[in-house]
Amino acid sequence: DTGVSQDPRHKITKRGQNVTFRCDPISEHNRLYWYRQTLGQGPEFLTYFQNEAQLEKSRLLSDRFSAERPKGSFSTLEIQRTEQGDSAMYLCASSQGTGKSYEQYFGPGTRLTVT
Amino acid sequence: AQSVTQLDSQVPVFEEAPVELRCNYSSSVSVYLFWYVQYPNQGLQLLLKYLSGSTLVKGINGFEAEFNKSQTSFHLRKPSVHISDTAEYFCAVRKISGGYNKLIFGAGTRLAVHP
Repeated sequence: DTGVSQDPRHKITKRGQNVTFRCDPISEHNRLYWYRQTLGQGPEFLTYFQNEAQLEKSRLLSDRFSAERPKGSFSTLEIQRTEQGDSAMYLCASSQGTGKSYEQYFGPGTRLTVT
Repeated sequence: AQSVTQLDSQVPVFEEAPVELRCNYSSSVSVYLFWYVQYPNQGLQLLLKYLSGSTLVKGINGFEAEFNKSQTSFHLRKPSVHISDTAEYFCAVRKISGGYNKLIFGAGTRLAVHP
């Protein structure tokens, strides 16, 4: 069990650029979640995958945001035409599909700064 | 809908003193309850969870929490804190059924342990 990994850990981009983040869940976990955490706040749910199917998206996820999990393993989160308001920590979590499915394991996050 | 209120944004305390971090939640359906800890520049780590049964739950690092259904509270306690407990603590809820396991977090409480 190597834990949830995220890449990159930090990203600085200029407003209007596109960025993509990657999340590798724990290998036997089929559920994957993305959250966004702004300064001084708790994480807010963005989207959820069960295997490769994206089953829920938050209203926070504007049409500039897209997430994929093409083979039910790693996931990517893309933000197009970034805005300063997108500056935040993007957290990925994964969980098992049965039994302890309530226990989500979080990665270290990707900190995005939009200048 | 569910919501979580963490009543203190910051809690300063001296080393070896007891501490209580307060959490209240609102939900029209039954929920599971969680406490997570976040150390600087790291992801979230599960401290403890309440699923059912005994209302007093014990977690890692000597923390415990008590679920009070009538007061819709889930306060976190530790009888004697260490410098290493300095971190951000998040209370979270999740619907027992439906909702795709998404966690709803409070805004966090920053625990600062002083020597």
